[in-house]
Amino acid sequence: QQQVKQSPQSLIVQKGGISIINCAYENTAFDYFPWYQQFPGKGPALLIAIRPDVSEKKEGRFTISFNKSAKQFSLHIMDSQPGDSATYFCAASIQGAQKLVFGQGTRLTINP
Amino acid sequence: DGGITQSPKYLFRKEGQNVTLSCEQNLNHDAMYWYRQDPGQGLRLIYYSQIVNDFQKGDIAEGYSVSREKKESFPLTVTSAQKNPTAFYLCASSMAPTGNSPLHFGNGTRLTVT
Repeated sequence: QQQVKQSPQSLIVQKGGISIINCAYENTAFDYFPWYQQFPGKGPALLIAIRPDVSEKKEGRFTISFNKSAKQFSLHIMDSQPGDSATYFCAASIQGAQKLVFGQGTRLTINP
Repeated sequence: DGGITQSPKYLFRKEGQNVTLSCEQNLNHDAMYWYRQDPGQGLRLIYYSQIVNDFQKGDIAEGYSVSREKKESFPLTVTSAQKNPTAFYLCASSMAPTGNSPLHFGNGTRLTVT
């Protein structure tokens, strides 16, 4: 119930294309869903986050789509660029809880 | 610049030896965390601390120990009891419980035990 399942494990997209990474969860008490971006040799950094009172949140080329009934959320990267090549982690937590549960990660490669 | 400093970046140890990983933050954050990263397994929580002199076990605490004597520091000791210690270790901090504020990560320590 505490798991967050992320797919795909790896993804290759051409420059200018749309990258889509999906996550699914079981625990309906989760109410905070962040995405983290990690470049090689670095720690992850918060990219964008959503709460379940909205179905979509957009920040520049990055959009989170949230489907509460399906218990799924996804990250869309529009006009993907080589600089977006990184590992992406979805996560979930309960507001006020100390523990953030991470997905398994997706290694994204954008080909020039 | 405010941030989290983990040292060293690479660490090599022989099997059977304890090793301590350093984590220092100057963000004035109350909460600090240790995560372990393995390929294909995401980030798994080892220990976390909400305040000085208090810490709780995470999901994979066996074979690890921590201390929190100062707000700025949260060192992690990988003991000889940890069966598979080779991994990438990440320290993080947050202003408040993770549901309310983002995690700020250091750049990690890659530990290799042979």
